[in-house]
Amino acid sequence: DVKVTQSSRYLVKRTGEKVFLECVQDMDHENMFWYRQDPGLGLRLIYFSYDVKMKEKGDIPEGYSVSREKKERFSLILESASTNQTSMYLCAEAGAGGFHEQFFGPGTRLTVL
Amino acid sequence: AQSVTQLGSHVSVSEGALVLLRCNYSSSVPPYLFWYVQYPNQGLQLLLKYTSAATLVKGINGFEAEFKKSETSFHLTKPSAHMSDAAEYFCAVSEGFQKLVFGTGTRLLVSP
Repeated sequence: DVKVTQSSRYLVKRTGEKVFLECVQDMDHENMFWYRQDPGLGLRLIYFSYDVKMKEKGDIPEGYSVSREKKERFSLILESASTNQTSMYLCAEAGAGGFHEQFFGPGTRLTVL
Repeated sequence: AQSVTQLGSHVSVSEGALVLLRCNYSSSVPPYLFWYVQYPNQGLQLLLKYTSAATLVKGINGFEAEFKKSETSFHLTKPSAHMSDAAEYFCAVSEGFQKLVFGTGTRLLVSP
């Protein structure tokens, strides 16, 4: 079975803090994704990576950066957290071939005070 | 760019009734289409996928979806709702680089 793990299920941070969200997959897959999920807006793509050290901006990259030093790990970084970044963050992974289906982690609910 | 429209942010049914969740997509090429389910405080789980092999796709938990090219639709159905089906459902269409574009979701409420 595909397993995607995220470092925290719930996280509370203060405005201005640097925040790291980590995601690990065990399928040796090339593609990894970070989304944020907000009520009424569905899932919006923040960043994705199709290989180690490669990254591409998604639809809403402002205020975020990412790091992928190893194939299995994809980190989302909030350089200076703001209250409008309070959200559910979902990590996903997908193989290079196949039909593009993505497999998701359990999510991290981040609250920025 | 691809897009997905899910009609109805909330759908309410009684236990045992038919479930119908609507999804329309726009795509310039033959698409791959997906339905995902999200239970409270969990990630998304793949319900089923359309990959052009068959227009009627069966998924887990008794759900199925029919691809209709002429209507650009991929509606999700289940003949008889169960209380455990209460969740949020997302339709998605594939884009380049293994990317998916998601709809805004439909919350299914099931009453006894």
